[in-house]
Amino acid sequence: AQSVTQLGSHVSVSEGALVLLRCNYSSSVPPYLFWYVQYPNQGLQLLLKYTSAATLVKGINGFEAEFKKSETSFHLTKPSAHMSDAAEYFCAVSANTGNQFYFGTGTSLTVIP
Amino acid sequence: EAGVAQSPRYKIIEKRQSVAFWCNPISGHATLYWYQQILGQGPKLLIQFQNNGVVDDSQLPKDRFSAERLKGVDSTLKIQPAKLEDSAVYLCASSLPGTAAYNEQFFGPGTRLTVL
Repeated sequence: AQSVTQLGSHVSVSEGALVLLRCNYSSSVPPYLFWYVQYPNQGLQLLLKYTSAATLVKGINGFEAEFKKSETSFHLTKPSAHMSDAAEYFCAVSANTGNQFYFGTGTSLTVIP
Repeated sequence: EAGVAQSPRYKIIEKRQSVAFWCNPISGHATLYWYQQILGQGPKLLIQFQNNGVVDDSQLPKDRFSAERLKGVDSTLKIQPAKLEDSAVYLCASSLPGTAAYNEQFFGPGTRLTVL
């Protein structure tokens, strides 16, 4: 079975500061891991995904995430926050052979001018 | 390229009433998903179609929820009768054929259901 835990339901950062959103996973098989962003009144958009290739994954809008098996983590980072980054972020896990996605409860990012 | 279309965007009903949601996926996407997103939670997969066949409906409450994709293109999700706990955003997503883990899912804007 797979699951993800997102630490911190709300994160606030100043514009230009580092963004760090935490995600820890649990999986009995090699996982695929994903980060999605959801802007208000919109559907989810894929930021990046890990599929067992490079452990450091670069995504859209300057975001990246590092897969750390020893820590069962897949934290999302961005060096410098922009106002447009304010949104809800979801981490998700799936088995590499499966169809079922398991989403975390989400982290709401606020960017302070 | 047009995205995933959903309608209506908002729906308010009373408990025990019926409701239906419609989804039109991206052209050429054989795989279609319906998710339920309760406030404060992540999306939960309800059902996945491959063309007009069901791939996974293990988390669909079949006593009250039904979904169909008769011609393998657009899809409807129905709730009959609705309960208060069905209040949520219902998201539709589509992707190219293959496992969900391999192919990117493209999400529609969702339908926000409020059950009073």
